[in-house]
Amino acid sequence: GAGVSQSPSNKVTEKGKDVELRCDPISGHTALYWYRQSLGQGLEFLIYFQGNSAPDKSGLPSDRFSAERTGGSVSTLTIQRTQQEDSAVYLCASSFLREGRGGELFFGEGSRLTVL
Amino acid sequence: SQQGEEDPQALSIQEGENATMNCSYKTSINNLQWYRQNSGRGLVHLILIRSNEREKHSGRLRVTLDTSKKSSSLLITASRAADTASYFCATDAPGTYKYIFGTGTRLKVLA
Repeated sequence: GAGVSQSPSNKVTEKGKDVELRCDPISGHTALYWYRQSLGQGLEFLIYFQGNSAPDKSGLPSDRFSAERTGGSVSTLTIQRTQQEDSAVYLCASSFLREGRGGELFFGEGSRLTVL
Repeated sequence: SQQGEEDPQALSIQEGENATMNCSYKTSINNLQWYRQNSGRGLVHLILIRSNEREKHSGRLRVTLDTSKKSSSLLITASRAADTASYFCATDAPGTYKYIFGTGTRLKVLA
């Protein structure tokens, strides 16, 4: 696609339910990132992928959070047993890593999660 | 933590004035980038400066990097109401492509 696509755009769920957030990166981008942003706050790093592997999962807040990426493309962020503090906008970004150098991140519009 | 911090947290200026935002970080870096965010959703890349560069320009934007002070500044000249947004810096450390974002500066440009 032309840009990074995230779905759903908005998700309202009840406390204790599981949710899946999906990210379709720009075709050919080797790196994929997940961030979380609470209202009026900065971006909190969650995880990033190079290809299908995740060199750094240090930002995942708890073992209720997991992410995978398949085929070097689509990624899914899963939150199990959601809590109210999980309410935030979840942002995905992708990047083309060129000659071992980092580059510009292209962001999706985010998935707004509200846990009641 | 590598996280950057921007200052000021909020800035309000008149249209036509210049806006300067600063970013400080804690560890050595490969690259530093500046992003803009409107309405709390997707971020848009503005400019990337590498650790061996000291200054870059792009249109009305000027970015400087001082690795000895672990700081960067973003200057927007001749600001417009459309520049109203939040601005974030992001850094990655050598050997990693993990980008850590700062806390952001909320800029309001008054017409």
